[in-house]
Parts: sequence; C-alpha cells; structure tokens
Amino acid sequence: DSGVTQTPKHLITATGQRVTLRCSPRSGDLSVYWYQQSLDQGLQFLIQYYNGEERAKGNILERFSAQQFPDLHSELNLSSLELGDSALYFCASSVEGRDSPLHFGNGTRLTVT
Amino acid sequence: GQQVMQIPQYQHVQEGEDFTTYCNSSTTLSNIQWYKQRPGGHPVFLIQLVKSGEVKKQKRLTFQFGEAKKNSSLHITATQTTDVGTYFCAGFYFGNEKLTFGTGTRLTIIP
Repeated sequence: DSGVTQTPKHLITATGQRVTLRCSPRSGDLSVYWYQQSLDQGLQFLIQYYNGEERAKGNILERFSAQQFPDLHSELNLSSLELGDSALYFCASSVEGRDSPLHFGNGTRLTVT
Repeated sequence: GQQVMQIPQYQHVQEGEDFTTYCNSSTTLSNIQWYKQRPGGHPVFLIQLVKSGEVKKQKRLTFQFGEAKKNSSLHITATQTTDVGTYFCAGFYFGNEKLTFGTGTRLTIIP
C-alpha cells in the first residue's frame, strides 16, 4: 500500500460529460502529480502541485483542470469528455517534488462511452 | 523537446536469462529514477540515481547512470517470474519540476 488514495476506482460516463477524480496524498507529502496512461501506453504527465500551488504543467488539455486544496488533497476535473479520454489516471505524491521518489495511487480507470 | 526513450519496447526471455533495458535522453538529466509496473498495477519506485557514472545494485537488479547523465540502464540477472512487468525510467531535467517518464519496456518471462 503506497499510502496514496484515489477515488473512484472506476468511472463510466458518456461523451460530453464532466467528472472529478480525487486524490489524497501520503501523509507528509506536499507534492501531487497527475499522470494519464492510455491502454498499453506510457505515463503522460499532466500537472504537478506543491503545497497548493501549481509547479509544472504538461500537455494537459484545456478541458482538464486540477487543483490542490489546503489539506493537500487534489482533484482533477475532466470536462466535455471524448472517447479518447478513456484511460487510467494516476495520482502520485512525493515529499518535496524534485529529486523525491513518487508514490502512486491505484489509479482511476475512466471509460467514456 | 525533453524526451526519454527506452529500448526495447518489449522483451520476452526464458526464466533464468538476463534482461537489460536502456534509457536515453537527448538532454542532460538532473537525476533518473526507475519504476516497475506489474500488470494491472501502479508504478512502484525502485531506485534513484543522481551522480554521473553511478552504479547501484538491488539483489539481482543493477542500475547505471551514464557519465554524461543522458542515459541509464537496468540489468536483471537470472530473471524470475516475479520480474514480469513494465519497467520505466523517469528523469528530472535541470530547471524543470516535472518528472518525464520513458516509454517503458515490457518484460515477459517464459517459464
């Protein structure tokens, strides 16, 4: 158990809808990362927060947004969903960010129909 | 752009054979990390290399960081069925906060 909690585990929704994925980092970790993993693909970096502030941004679509709250949990919002958004979304946390190992949650599997 | 390539993409080996995956970046890395993702699982941190030419060992696994800090390798000696999974390298670039993952090498073991 990595200590990172992601909910929900599975999500099935229709095109055009909006969903929110939630992540609680390990106790003591200040940095949260979001990654997208499509079927049999690598890990695409979406965004990183550190202690409530955005630190780095990847190729995140404008339809996607995220934030980290004062209690350090994070949410990833995906809107106007398309079939191609179907993927496994991982959250990871680390103590500081740079140079720290990432601890991944079990992921949220999103299926857009 | 800053990309991390891994080869091979797939590797099938007989149990007991050795396995090596290679990671290459076009730009110097600040440090490199290695992760393992079992089928149906999430990536799990294995190790971090920071110094030029660094070599670290974990039982049957040997990790190397190149002298120029642009490449790295993971070598597994005498593979076992428990080694099955996808191995990812991931690097931090100087002045960049994001951890860029390599394309991964999927290892399958033939018993």
